[in-house]
Amino acid sequence: SQTIHQWPATLVQPVGSPLSLECTVEGTSNPNLYWYRQAAGRGLQLLFYSVGIGQISSEVPQNLSASRPQDRQFILSSKKLLLSDSGFYLCAWSDRLRSGGKLFFGSGTQLSVL
Amino acid sequence: GENVEQHPSTLSVQEGDSAVIKCTYSDSASNYFPWYKQELGKRPQLIIDIRSNVGEKKDQRIAVTLNKTAKHFSLHITETQPEDSAVYFCAAPYRDDKIIFGKGTRLHILP
Repeated sequence: SQTIHQWPATLVQPVGSPLSLECTVEGTSNPNLYWYRQAAGRGLQLLFYSVGIGQISSEVPQNLSASRPQDRQFILSSKKLLLSDSGFYLCAWSDRLRSGGKLFFGSGTQLSVL
Repeated sequence: GENVEQHPSTLSVQEGDSAVIKCTYSDSASNYFPWYKQELGKRPQLIIDIRSNVGEKKDQRIAVTLNKTAKHFSLHITETQPEDSAVYFCAAPYRDDKIIFGKGTRLHILP
C-alpha cells in the first residue's frame, strides 16, 4: 500500500532563517506531488505541484521554492523566512491513472515563524 | 480563471438535521470532484468523490450531486451527528493535474 511521510511535524523558526520541509511517498511510482499551505482557520492554498522529476509548477513564487530530486521526494525550501510564512504545510500525492485524481495528504508541518 | 467557489463559509445545523454545502468550478474540462473533511490540527481526509459521468453518489449519510451544465456540485449530509463537526473542502482539477480547493466550510452541529 502507498504511504506518505512528511517531516518535521512542528517547526519554530526565526524570521530570516532558512527552511527545508521534506516529503516522500512509498508504494507508487511517478506520482503527482503537491505542496499546500493553510493559514490558521483558512483554506488550502496551492504552492507548488509536480507531475514528474524536475517538473515544478509554481503558484505562489514569493520567497518559497520546491524541488523534486527523486521520483517520490518533494522538498519545500526558503532561503529567508518571513512572518507571513507561518502556517500548516501539507504535502500530498495523487496518481491520476490508478486512483483518478484522489489526493492523499501527509500529516502536515506546523510552521511558526517568530 | 481557475477558481472553486464554496458556500457557505460557516454552517450551523441542529443535530439530526441535514447540511448542504455547494461549490462552483470554472473549467468545463474538470472531470473529478472530491470532498474532504478536516478536523482541527489534522490532515484533510477524502470522504466522497464523484466523476463527471455520474450525477449523484451516496455513501451512507453523505451524498454528492453534480450538475455539469451549471458547473456546480454539492455535499449533502443527512441525520447529522456531533462527529460531523469539522471543516469541509471541495476541490476540482484544472489543466496539468492542478488541484484547486474551495475556501472551506466550517460545519457546527448543535446539540
